[in-house]
Amino acid sequence: EVQLVESGGGLVQPGGSLRLSCVASGFSFSSYWMHWIRQVPGKGLVWVSRINSDGSGTSYADSVKGRFTVSRDNSKNTLYLQMNSLTAEDTAVYFCTRGVAVSGTDYWGQGTLVTVSS
Amino acid sequence: ESVLTQSPGTLSLSPGERATLSCRASQSVNNNYLAWYQQKVGQAPRLLIYGASSRATGIPDRFSGSGSGTDFTLTISRLEPEDFAVYHCQQYGSSPWTFGQGTKVEIK
Repeated sequence: EVQLVESGGGLVQPGGSLRLSCVASGFSFSSYWMHWIRQVPGKGLVWVSRINSDGSGTSYADSVKGRFTVSRDNSKNTLYLQMNSLTAEDTAVYFCTRGVAVSGTDYWGQGTLVTVSS
Repeated sequence: ESVLTQSPGTLSLSPGERATLSCRASQSVNNNYLAWYQQKVGQAPRLLIYGASSRATGIPDRFSGSGSGTDFTLTISRLEPEDFAVYHCQQYGSSPWTFGQGTKVEIK
């Protein structure tokens, strides 16, 4: 069974940093691109970042470029999102998702809530 | 960036009724790479439809997708109690991926 489990969310002050993790199981993690997508509670979904299967290629939404860094450790089946210089606009639930060419994504984790507030 | 506009914002229907949800893109969606997701409160989105009209694994056939280019539709032929939720469309044909703002299907 495919599982994606995010962790690392929490309350952080504006200007602070946080690192999210997503542990994958039930599939060959190193074969798949992975994405981060976020959602302000009660609002729509916003794509944040993606990383290719071996970690050599990344892409970011303009709103996070230069502040967020996506990475992965295929030996640990884990995806990361390093978030720096956080602002209130980054407050959201962050989901990791598995990338699939034919459908974009298929499996999603349950999400981890990041709250940026003083 | 392709902007997706979903309508209506809220759809109030009774179980057994037909639901028709619309998603309009500001530019043509490459390869009709348009997906629909269902999301219930406190849960992650669940993939329903991809490629505008293909049902994902395990999705009941009361869910169907249609459309091409800039206009897409999700139809739920007969609403079951578990279908009342928020539905999102997403285009993955061009970067960055974008989502609509969602349509809430609520019990009338």
